Amino acid sequence: DTGVSQDPRHKITKRGQNVTFRCDPISEHNRLYWYRQTLGQGPEFLTYFQNEAQLEKSRLLSDRFSAERPKGSFSTLEIQRTEQGDSAMYLCASSSPGQGLDEKLFFGSGTQLSVL
Amino acid sequence: QKEVEQNSGPLSVPEGAIASLNCTYSDRVSQSFFWYRQYSGKSPELIMSIYSNGDKEDGRFTAQLNKASQYVSLLIRDSQPSDSATYLCAVGNTPLVFGKGTRLSVIA
Repeated sequence: DTGVSQDPRHKITKRGQNVTFRCDPISEHNRLYWYRQTLGQGPEFLTYFQNEAQLEKSRLLSDRFSAERPKGSFSTLEIQRTEQGDSAMYLCASSSPGQGLDEKLFFGSGTQLSVL
Repeated sequence: QKEVEQNSGPLSVPEGAIASLNCTYSDRVSQSFFWYRQYSGKSPELIMSIYSNGDKEDGRFTAQLNKASQYVSLLIRDSQPSDSATYLCAVGNTPLVFGKGTRLSVIA
């Protein structure tokens, strides 16, 4: 069990550029989540997948954001035409919900995005 | 909109004391409740889960849940300076909704 892996750890970009982040979940986990966190705030839900299906997307999520999980393994999060307000830590988490309620999320180290 | 409320702190306690962290939530049908610890610059780490009313103990940590009052708390006994971190309350079914966190400072 190597944990949830995210790449890159840091990304600095200029406003208007596109960026893409990658997340590799814990291998046996079938659910993968993207959250965003800014300083002094808790993680804010963006979207999640069960296997390759995107089951829910936050209504707060701009259409500049898109996520994929093509083979039910790793996932990518793309932000098009970045804005300064997109600067945040992007966290990926995975889980393997068993029977009942025990959906524990395990987070990766995150990707810190700075939009200049 | 589902909300999870926490006092942002900082909560300062002396080493060896009990730290008490509180959380309220708005969605009455929530069934899963978690506490995460987040050190500065790091990602959240799960420390406790609770699903039914009452207390659940794990080492120095005790989680308490009262669904009627929509209230969940975390007690940390014998607080250590290494417990100094932000504690996030997470509530829900899927997806989890997080509070803003309470910053705890344990003073040696």
